[in-house]
Amino acid sequence: DGGITQSPKYLFRKEGQNVTLSCEQNLNHDAMYWYRQDPGQGLRLIYYSQIVNDFQKGDIAEGYSVSREKKESFPLTVTSAQKNPTAFYLCASSIDATGLAGQLEQFFGPGTRLTVL
Amino acid sequence: GIQVEQSPPDLILQEGANSTLRCNFSDSVNNLQWFHQNPWGQLINLFYIPSGTKQNGRLSATTVATERYSLLYISSSQTTDSGVYFCAVDSNTGKLIFGQGTTLQVKP
Repeated sequence: DGGITQSPKYLFRKEGQNVTLSCEQNLNHDAMYWYRQDPGQGLRLIYYSQIVNDFQKGDIAEGYSVSREKKESFPLTVTSAQKNPTAFYLCASSIDATGLAGQLEQFFGPGTRLTVL
Repeated sequence: GIQVEQSPPDLILQEGANSTLRCNFSDSVNNLQWFHQNPWGQLINLFYIPSGTKQNGRLSATTVATERYSLLYISSSQTTDSGVYFCAVDSNTGKLIFGQGTTLQVKP
């Protein structure tokens, strides 16, 4: 069953703790992305990776970190430096990031809802 | 950076009615996608349409790249069409920029 999986579905964190959100894909896509969605808003890009062992900051990277050690996996760590971490986090992937038309279409996982207590 | 504006922000329809959602963008794009976000938050891909016209069942979309807008048509709406519809674009940066969405409610 091909697709993008995210875990956990719900996550609760105490202030001052780091937490890591998982994102895995078995679509053989090169590019992966992390977005944040706040209530009533569109999605905003946190980080993206076009290839293994390489990643770039998006528009709201402060307080977050990522790694891309394997093609299939792109975990996101929400650090204690992120001032307002409560949000819905979505992971996506595409065949390519800046390549030929048709390879740019992004597909999304089911998301993780993070709440800071 | 590129700006994306969606209209209307909210739309209420009676089941069976037709509707048109609009997405305006401020620069040329090499990627434009329409999504439906269901009540559980899942983003469903509707169309990948940087230019031209596509149809999928009761839904169709048209992007006029030279005039920097895209339209999503929903015909014979059903209650299951309710949710938030997002337009997202990329201007050859590798990053999708999302609009604020149109919230659609279809009443039985």
